[in-house]
Order: sequence, then C-alpha cells, then structure tokens
Amino acid sequence: QSALTQPASVSGSPGQSITISCTGTSSDVGTYNLVSWYQQHPGKAPKLMIYEVTKRPSGVSNRFSGSKSGNTASLTISGLQAEDEADYYCCSYAGNFIVLFGGGTTLTVL
Amino acid sequence: EVQLVQSGAEVKKPGESLKISCKGSGYSFSSYWIGWVRQMPGKGLEWMGIIYPGDSDTRYSPSFQGQVTISADKSINTAYLQWNSLKDSDTAMYHCVRRSNGEYYDYWGQGTLVTVSS
Repeated sequence: QSALTQPASVSGSPGQSITISCTGTSSDVGTYNLVSWYQQHPGKAPKLMIYEVTKRPSGVSNRFSGSKSGNTASLTISGLQAEDEADYYCCSYAGNFIVLFGGGTTLTVL
Repeated sequence: EVQLVQSGAEVKKPGESLKISCKGSGYSFSSYWIGWVRQMPGKGLEWMGIIYPGDSDTRYSPSFQGQVTISADKSINTAYLQWNSLKDSDTAMYHCVRRSNGEYYDYWGQGTLVTVSS
C-alpha cells in the first residue's frame, strides 16, 4: 500500500476558507468511512481533528469539517485563524489492520 | 485524564539495540490498542504497527514487519518498541498512540526522539 496523496502546501488569508484533499484508492479511502485528520504544530505531537470522515472530537472548533467523495477525502477549515497554521495529515484504514497516512500538508496563514 | 508518557530521547550507534516505552494512565490500558508512528526528520507520519495489551495481539505494517518488535506489559500499563540492530535510517521521532474504539487515534504520546549515528 502507498501513502495517501495530499498537496504539499496550501495557504489562505485570515477569515478565508481552505480545503485540503487526501486521495487514496478504492482499497482504503473509497471503501472505508474511517478517515481521520490530524493537526501538528512544530515540535508538538499530532492532535486529532476529525474522525470517521466527518466527526469532530469534543473541544475541536466547528470551523473544522471533513467530507469524502469516492477515493478522496477533504478537510475544510473555515474562518482561518493564525493558530491554524500547522501541518495536517489524513489517515485511512486500509483493511487487515493496515493504516495509511498522507504525506502531510503545510497550511500557511498569510 | 488519559495520558501516554514516553521514555526519553536516545542516542545510539548503528548495530546497537534499543527498547523505548510508552506508559498509559487514566484509562483501562488493557482495553485499547496502542500503536506506534514514525516521523523521520522533516517528514510525514508513518504507521508502524499496533498491539492490544489485553492479549498481546500484534499487527505490523508490511514496511516495518521484521524491522522492529512491538510488545506490551499490561501489568505496568506499558507498551514497547524495540530494535535489535539499529541503522542510521532509524533516526526519527517515534510516537505512541491510543486507538479509540473506532479506527482513529485519540491520544498521542509526546514522542521519543531516537538518533542513530556513528
């Protein structure tokens, strides 16, 4: 199995919305509604932001939302804030206890 | 409060062995899978494998099968990641993670930095 494909970088201005895509295959993202997203600030451990494609853990801002269409999942951040600047990773179950991460996307808030 | 606390940074030479740890607290350690995730310097996350401390059922990513050993001691709420012979390319940050009751990782350890250099 190969890593999921994410854009290397995205950027947006404060208040804008951005979307990060995560493309897999029919064996992972396309089959399982088990996509999660993690935020990682420099020097910190990753933090769960979205699970099971669309669900938000308690304490995560409702500015973060997830979706999926076919083999591609997406993370949308609305009302961009400076604190959202971080690396974002998608993750999908791929069957048989295999889990795949995306290569990561660096979000820059201009 | 759920916490995963990992052992401290390590500096090793190629060929040496190493075992790093991850101690869970604030929940029933035996009842949740614990995974390990590698992050090489400046790179992304890679899923290495996972163990169920309750019965030590262990699964590995094909990329890491045979390269590392994952184990756990439920009596002391601790999971381990072990190498028998380190390589320079094992230099990375290693995170332990708790798999929730679904297929996602809700708690992460602070990471253990492993540096392998001659």
